[in-house]
Amino acid sequence: AQKITQTQPGMFVQEKEAVTLDCTYDTSDQSYGLFWYKQPSSGEMIFLIYQGSYDEQNATEGRYSLNFQKARKSANLVISASQLGDSAMYFCAGTGGGNKLTFGTGTQLKVEL
Amino acid sequence: DAGITQSPRHKVTETGTPVTLRCHQTENHRYMYWYRQDPGHGLRLIHYSYGVKDTDKGEVSDGYSVSRSKTEDFLLTLESATSSQTSVYFCATGLAGDFQETQYFGPGTRLLVL
Repeated sequence: AQKITQTQPGMFVQEKEAVTLDCTYDTSDQSYGLFWYKQPSSGEMIFLIYQGSYDEQNATEGRYSLNFQKARKSANLVISASQLGDSAMYFCAGTGGGNKLTFGTGTQLKVEL
Repeated sequence: DAGITQSPRHKVTETGTPVTLRCHQTENHRYMYWYRQDPGHGLRLIHYSYGVKDTDKGEVSDGYSVSRSKTEDFLLTLESATSSQTSVYFCATGLAGDFQETQYFGPGTRLLVL
């Protein structure tokens, strides 16, 4: 089982700046995955990036990177060069001991000019 | 992305009425999931299926039942809808069902129970 904590209900960032969205997890499983999803105002859930518990390198996907610190049990999402279209709700989620996804409560990101 | 559709996309119903939501996928994924999304809770797993006629409960299964008679369809039924079941419902699918597999989501169904 997993417990996912996102402590930032809302964040603001200036366009073209980088922003870090925090996520901590808690599981006793050795094998687990950590995921980030984006939910724009239109409502769909869009997969962004994945990090496995055995992966030694931080995951990257375009402007998204996952800062994985296993000892701290953190899996923060870094968005570089923010764009207005990045304004959305972002969810951290994790699996542990199987395929059941547990979600955090989300961070609402607003990108400003 | 998996081809996942949900129907209806919006529904308004009255307390005590049965409601069935449908999830349809075209990717032949073995695993299918139903989640509900509520403010302050993120998404929570209701039920999931690991094959035709094989289902199991999730975190918030009370008041819900599911059925899967075909690989491509996963139905969520509220036997007698209550106002606490007003929510946005998402279906998701996955191929292998292991800890490292990405789940892909349908567009969601907004349900209002009056």
